[in-house]
Amino acid sequence: KNQVEQSPQSLIILEGKNCTLQCNYTVSPFSNLRWYKQDTGRGPVSLTIMTFSENTKSNGRYTATLDADTKQSSLHITASQLSDSASYICVVTSAGGGADGLTFGKGTHLIIQP
Amino acid sequence: NAGVTQTPKFQVLKTGQSMTLQCAQDMNHEYMSWYRQDPGMGLRLIHYSVGAGITDQGEVPNGYNVSRSTTEDFPLRLLSAAPSQTSVYFCASSATSGGGVEQFFGPGTRLTVL
Repeated sequence: KNQVEQSPQSLIILEGKNCTLQCNYTVSPFSNLRWYKQDTGRGPVSLTIMTFSENTKSNGRYTATLDADTKQSSLHITASQLSDSASYICVVTSAGGGADGLTFGKGTHLIIQP
Repeated sequence: NAGVTQTPKFQVLKTGQSMTLQCAQDMNHEYMSWYRQDPGMGLRLIHYSVGAGITDQGEVPNGYNVSRSTTEDFPLRLLSAAPSQTSVYFCASSATSGGGVEQFFGPGTRLTVL
């Protein structure tokens, strides 16, 4: 069964600090991996998408990495800001992952404290 | 562009009542889908549509109906609400299916069934 596991479940860091969120997946065959940011009370918004051949992609202070051999991805946030407080969801696409090919992780809840 | 809009934002129902959650998009996207999000769980696919007149079941379709008479609209109907349907519902759209293109999510409808 296709699965996406995210860690940690929740994380609290001080403003200005860096952090890294993890995503491990057992999705096959792999098509792509996307990170979403979901603010409280809002819908998810795409941050990055990576295919099999890409191992790093940046979007401002967000940098995602992908190791297709170990089936791991990370999302690194640099110089965190209060507005980074949100849930971050890892989504992996495969031909066999659910009716629409998408397998969602449960998310990491990030809190940035001033 | 308004993107993906959902109404209502909040709704309280009594067990056995029926209602329709509205979803509309103005991006001329062919693919639309409905998800529910529950605490401690990833987004789960309820129903999806690859174009007007075509719908299919997702992972958790029981108790829900959909139709797609136009490209723009994709309403979700609860036939006889149950407390287990208490959740936050998100509608999403993308140009095509498969996860390779960005999915745009609506702001969500928070439904409570008493």
